[in-house]
Amino acid sequence: GQNIDQPTEMTATEGAIVQINCTYQTSGFNGLFWYQQHAGEAPTFLSYNVLDGLEEKGRFSSFLSRSKGYSYLLLKELQMKDSASYLCAAMDSNYQLIWGAGTKLIIKP
Amino acid sequence: EAQVTQNPRYLITVTGKKLTVTCSQNMNHEYMSWYRQDPGLGLRQIYYSMNVEVTDKGDVPEGYKVSRKEKRNFPLILESPSPNQTSLYFCASSATPGGTGFTYEQYFGPGTRLTVT
Repeated sequence: GQNIDQPTEMTATEGAIVQINCTYQTSGFNGLFWYQQHAGEAPTFLSYNVLDGLEEKGRFSSFLSRSKGYSYLLLKELQMKDSASYLCAAMDSNYQLIWGAGTKLIIKP
Repeated sequence: EAQVTQNPRYLITVTGKKLTVTCSQNMNHEYMSWYRQDPGLGLRQIYYSMNVEVTDKGDVPEGYKVSRKEKRNFPLILESPSPNQTSLYFCASSATPGGTGFTYEQYFGPGTRLTVT
C-alpha cells in the first residue's frame, strides 16, 4: 500500500534549526511536496523535489533521497511565526498526492 | 488576485439535510480536488476532477457527490449528511498534473468547517 510517515509533533527553540523527516512508499513516484499549515488555515506550498538532493529556498531547504524513500524539511533561524503543521505529500505514478498526517512544530522563545 | 474561494466558511446543520459547499477558482486550472481534514488523519481526498465533466473518486468518496459543469466551479454536495462527516473541508486547484504548465503547486481554498448534529 501507499504510505507516508512523519513525526506527529516536534519542539524547537527560536533561532535554532529543526529538521522534519518524512518517509514514503508509493506506487511510482512523481515528486515530494512540503506544505505549511497554520492552525485553522489552508495549507500553503513550500517546496517540491523530484530529483535527489537539496533544494534551498531562503530559511527553508528540502532534501530528497529517492532510493531511500526519504525526505526532510530543514528550517533555519526559527521564528515564532514558523509554529505550524508541516505536511509531507508524495505524488504517485497517477499524479495523485498521498498525504502524511502532518508534523506539528512548536517554537519556544 | 489568484485565489480559490469556498462558501460557506462555517456551517452547522442537522443529519439528513442536504447541503452544498461551493468552490471557485480564477486561475483557469483544469485540476480541482476536494479534501477533508480530521485530527491525526491528515488530508484525505474525497473527489477530484481533471477537467470539465470529468470527475473521479478519491480515497473517501462515500456520502459525497461532486459536479464539474464549468472549469472554474467544483461544488461538493452532501445529499444526506451524517455526524461522521463533521470535518474541515478544503477545495484545491492546480494545472493538470504532469501536463504542460504544471507548476507542482496546489492552491487551497480557506476551508469550510462543517458540523453535523
